[in-house]
Amino acid sequence: GENVEQHPSTLSVQEGDSAVIKCTYSDSASNYFPWYKQELGKRPQLIIDIRSNVGEKKDQRIAVTLNKTAKHFSLHITETQPEDSAVYFCAATVSSNTGKLIFGQGTTLQVKP
Amino acid sequence: EAGVTQFPSHSVIEKGQTVTLRCDPISGHDNLYWYRRVMGKEIKFLLHFVKESKQDESGMPNNRFLAERTGGTYSTLKVQPAELEDSGVYFCASSQDRAFAFFGQGTRLTVV
Repeated sequence: GENVEQHPSTLSVQEGDSAVIKCTYSDSASNYFPWYKQELGKRPQLIIDIRSNVGEKKDQRIAVTLNKTAKHFSLHITETQPEDSAVYFCAATVSSNTGKLIFGQGTTLQVKP
Repeated sequence: EAGVTQFPSHSVIEKGQTVTLRCDPISGHDNLYWYRRVMGKEIKFLLHFVKESKQDESGMPNNRFLAERTGGTYSTLKVQPAELEDSGVYFCASSQDRAFAFFGQGTRLTVV
């Protein structure tokens, strides 16, 4: 069935270092890959997304790369700051293209000052 | 513009009781989704409305769960009777074009 695997489950970095979170998906027809950030007690918020016709997208300190052949995509955060600490979820759409998202298990990122 | 709002934010009920969660999507968004996160695991899809119609309810766990969206505006998710394994955070999301889904803050349900 449709599946998204996300690694690592927890990640701790020093302020200023980079953080990378990786996801793989099973549905080769998936064509939209959003990343959500959920701070403690708050709603998941879309921080960046990528469509299947693009290999990389960047927005200030965050970037996402997509390898459709290998069916994996990654989130890169550079120059991390304490406010980047949160749970990050990757997701992929299903082939039916209804907007239904299959989520990864989440990565708890801790940025130490 | 108001975001997706959910009520209540927290609910603690006893096993066997009934609970109704409510979601108010962003005005004008035809697509409304319910998701659930159980015990720190992944966020799992429950169902999808397009206006008042159920487009996909393949993620609903069993017939103790009933979702409605009368009039195509707000939606309710009723759990009756609640079981211990229903505990988790229930999220609602809405979108206009089946992408860029906006999430609510979630309802944390605890069944004791």
